[in-house]
Amino acid sequence: EAGVVQSPRYKIIEKKQPVAFWCNPISGHNTLYWYLQNLGQGPELLIRYENEEAVDDSQLPKDRFSAERLKGVDSTLKIQPAELGDSAVYLCASSLVGTGVAGTDTQYFGPGTRLTVL
Amino acid sequence: DAKTTQPPSMDCAEGRAANLPCNHSTISGNEYVYWYRQIHSQGPQYIIHGLKNNETNEMASLIITEDRKSSTLILPHATLRDTAVYYCIVRVKTSYDKVIFGPGTSLSVIP
Repeated sequence: EAGVVQSPRYKIIEKKQPVAFWCNPISGHNTLYWYLQNLGQGPELLIRYENEEAVDDSQLPKDRFSAERLKGVDSTLKIQPAELGDSAVYLCASSLVGTGVAGTDTQYFGPGTRLTVL
Repeated sequence: DAKTTQPPSMDCAEGRAANLPCNHSTISGNEYVYWYRQIHSQGPQYIIHGLKNNETNEMASLIITEDRKSSTLILPHATLRDTAVYYCIVRVKTSYDKVIFGPGTSLSVIP
C-alpha cells in the first residue's frame, strides 16, 4: 500500500514569494492533517480536514496561509506571501477515523516538504 | 501544551534493549498512549499504542503502569537504524482530538 505522498520534498524561495505544497493521502483515509515542524521541535497542527471540510483550522495563520482539499482526497497548502519565519518542514498526515473500526485514527505521515525562505 | 513529559535524550548500545520512559500523570480514562518516532529527514512513523494493557508488535513493546500515569516503550534489540526522536502522545482514540507532539526523546544507538 502506498503511503502519504508529498511534493515537492524541498523548496527554496525568496521572501514575499508564494509557495504551494501538495499532499496525496493514503487511499480511503477520510481525515487529512497539515503540520508545521520547526527545527528541534515536534510537529504542530495547522489544519485538519474531515473529507473536504476543514474541521479545525484554529492554528492556521489565515492572513497568509490557505488550504484546500477538493473532492476530499488530495490537498494543497499555500503560503502567500512567504516570510523568513515560515522556513520549516511541512508535514501531511492522513488517517481513517470512525467508530467501530479497529485500528482507526492512527495517523500516517508523509516525508514532508522542507521550505527555506531566503 | 503537551500532556506528556519525556527525557530530552538517551543513549543505548547497539543490540541492547532501549527503554524510553514517558510520564502522563494527567491522562484521562478514555485516552490512549501512542508512540511515534521520527528518523532524520522523514515524517513521524507510528510505532504502537495502548490503553491499559501491555502491548507488543513487531517493532516494540509498550508497558503501561497500573495507574496509567506513565509508560515505557521498549525496543528489545536496538539497532543503529533505531536512532530517532521518539514521541509519546496521549489522546482519545477514534476522535478528532488534536494530536499534540512534545519535543520527544532523541535516542542515539551507539555501535
